[in-house]
Amino acid sequence: DSGVTQTPKHLITATGQRVTLRCSPRSGDLSVYWYQQSLDQGLQFLIQYYNGEERAKGNILERFSAQQFPDLHSELNLSSLELGDSALYFCASSGNQFGQGTRLTVV
Amino acid sequence: AQSVAQPEDQVNVAEGNPLTVKCTYSVSGNPYLFWYVQYPNRGLQFLLKYITGDNLVKGSYGFEAEFNKSQTSFHLKKPSALVSDSALYFCAVRAQYSSASKIIFGSGTRLSIRP
Repeated sequence: DSGVTQTPKHLITATGQRVTLRCSPRSGDLSVYWYQQSLDQGLQFLIQYYNGEERAKGNILERFSAQQFPDLHSELNLSSLELGDSALYFCASSGNQFGQGTRLTVV
Repeated sequence: AQSVAQPEDQVNVAEGNPLTVKCTYSVSGNPYLFWYVQYPNRGLQFLLKYITGDNLVKGSYGFEAEFNKSQTSFHLKKPSALVSDSALYFCAVRAQYSSASKIIFGSGTRLSIRP
């Protein structure tokens, strides 16, 4: 068990909708990293937060946004969803610990 | 720019035989190298990493990896494969002293161990 918790495990939604994915980092870790794993793009870094502040940005679309709250949990918001956004979304906290992921299916 | 390549999409090995999953990298300066494993419908699990020191790194589940600077490789190995090792394996790299967000993952190698 990595200590990183992600909810929900699965999400099915329609195109054009908005969803929120949640991540709680391992106890004591201040960083949260979000990744997208899709069949065609592989595993890509999206964004990092550290102690509530955005620290680094990767290949994150403008339709996507994230935040980290004072209790250090983070939310990844995906809006105006497209079929191509269907993927596995992971978060990780400091120390290479990954959550189980949220599988998003856009129909 | 940094990159990592896993030249084999799939590796098939008989149980009990040694296995190797290949990884080569390109990075400016010294590399930090990682191996992760992903089981079906599960997240990534950290196996091992090379930061500095001994070129042979030992990790979880009996896996080890050898850092070869001249060949810019970091192949994952195990002396005797188990059926339960069947999974998707990712190699990753980032430059020493770079942010952890700069890590680049390979495309993955599917390891299949037949009984």
